[in-house]
Amino acid sequence: EAQVTQNPRYLITVTGKKLTVTCSQNMNHEYMSWYRQDPGLGLRQIYYSMNVEVTDKGDVPEGYKVSRKEKRNFPLILESPSPNQTSLYFCASSSLAATYEQYFGPGTRLTVT
Amino acid sequence: GEDVEQSLFLSVREGDSSVINCTYTDSSSTYLYWYKQEPGAGLQLLTYIFSNMDMKQDQRLTVLLNKKDKHLSLRIADTQTGDSAIYFCAERSNTGKLIFGQGTTLQVKP
Repeated sequence: EAQVTQNPRYLITVTGKKLTVTCSQNMNHEYMSWYRQDPGLGLRQIYYSMNVEVTDKGDVPEGYKVSRKEKRNFPLILESPSPNQTSLYFCASSSLAATYEQYFGPGTRLTVT
Repeated sequence: GEDVEQSLFLSVREGDSSVINCTYTDSSSTYLYWYKQEPGAGLQLLTYIFSNMDMKQDQRLTVLLNKKDKHLSLRIADTQTGDSAIYFCAERSNTGKLIFGQGTTLQVKP
């Protein structure tokens, strides 16, 4: 089954404790991206990647890092989480030939206290 | 700049039609989307429309695109309680980024 998976689905952590949210897709997609969803703001893109070792900033990259060492994985790293990063995070992927059709993961709800 | 606007809330009675509206600013957008998010769930792509189309129909869903006014709408016929959700309008930028509206919460009353 074609899918985008994220782990963990729920995470409560404390300020400053480094964490990684994993994202993996099994569709051999080149394009992957991370969004955060906040009430009243919709979804905003954090980072995206066009292919292995190619990443670029989205609209709200501050406080986040990403890496793309393998085509299927695109982890989101919070080196020093802060309460304003409490949010619902979505990973998405698509083929570069068809970025009009993006597949979303189930979401990771992160709470930073 | 890039911006997508939606009204935040819509309430309808079961069996009525629902119309959710959206305006966008980027006239170069090639694709426009409607996503559905049920409580506690991820994003489900409902439908999308290519910018050279005016209308797209898919069962109970009708999407209308007015490029001149940069206005997109989603009509749900015979709205059911299972349609209660948040509906997001989105446009695709030339980097592949999706620019989302704030989301419209649809409440369907029995």
